[in-house]
Amino acid sequence: GQQLNQSPQSMFIQEGEDVSMNCTSSSIFNTWLWYKQDPGEGPVLLIALYKAGELTSNGRLTAQFGITRKDSFLNISASIPSDVGIYFCAGQPAGGTSYGKLTFGQGTILTVHP
Amino acid sequence: GAVVSQHPSWVICKSGTSVKIECRSLDFQATTMFWYRQFPKQSLMLMATSNEGSKATYEQGVEKDKFLINHASLTLSTLTVTSAHPEDSSFYICSARDSGTYQPQHFGDGTRLSIL
Repeated sequence: GQQLNQSPQSMFIQEGEDVSMNCTSSSIFNTWLWYKQDPGEGPVLLIALYKAGELTSNGRLTAQFGITRKDSFLNISASIPSDVGIYFCAGQPAGGTSYGKLTFGQGTILTVHP
Repeated sequence: GAVVSQHPSWVICKSGTSVKIECRSLDFQATTMFWYRQFPKQSLMLMATSNEGSKATYEQGVEKDKFLINHASLTLSTLTVTSAHPEDSSFYICSARDSGTYQPQHFGDGTRLSIL
């Protein structure tokens, strides 16, 4: 089945630093989504991307939908302690029997030192 | 907007009992809901897709008789873990999406299930 390669697996940064993580796929996606999950909670949607080349911001977060439709990145600027958590990318195929389903990346564990 | 409520958030029960988990979309109508299972430090694993008024579609390897899914209304789906055993202990998360092409999945807060 489809797989998403998300990197890095973990990051340890100082407060105030910028963060970048990305996902690549072996197949094309119609939608890219970025979620954040805190311990013991469900993922929370950060940014949704629906068009190849699209660059979208949400506060200090910026994400882009790759031109090839096989990749996406998420940047966090000026990190703060509450940015700690696990970040997941997720891709949604264009149609067929998998329509609406998400394929998730393995997650990036972010630790921010004050 | 787009709030998904999941209940209970935590349950402990004895082996052999059945446990029902509810997933509700509070401010939108969810034509499709999804059930995931997540093991510690791992990503989300899709168990099944639930469409209102029809039978759920299970992913390969998921026992449909073990994990019963009902999606009786546009705002409620339930997952029942039947005759639960310790190996069923996990974090279960539901998600819901509104109708329309460009609608993302919104997740509930998950249910921590512990079978003794």
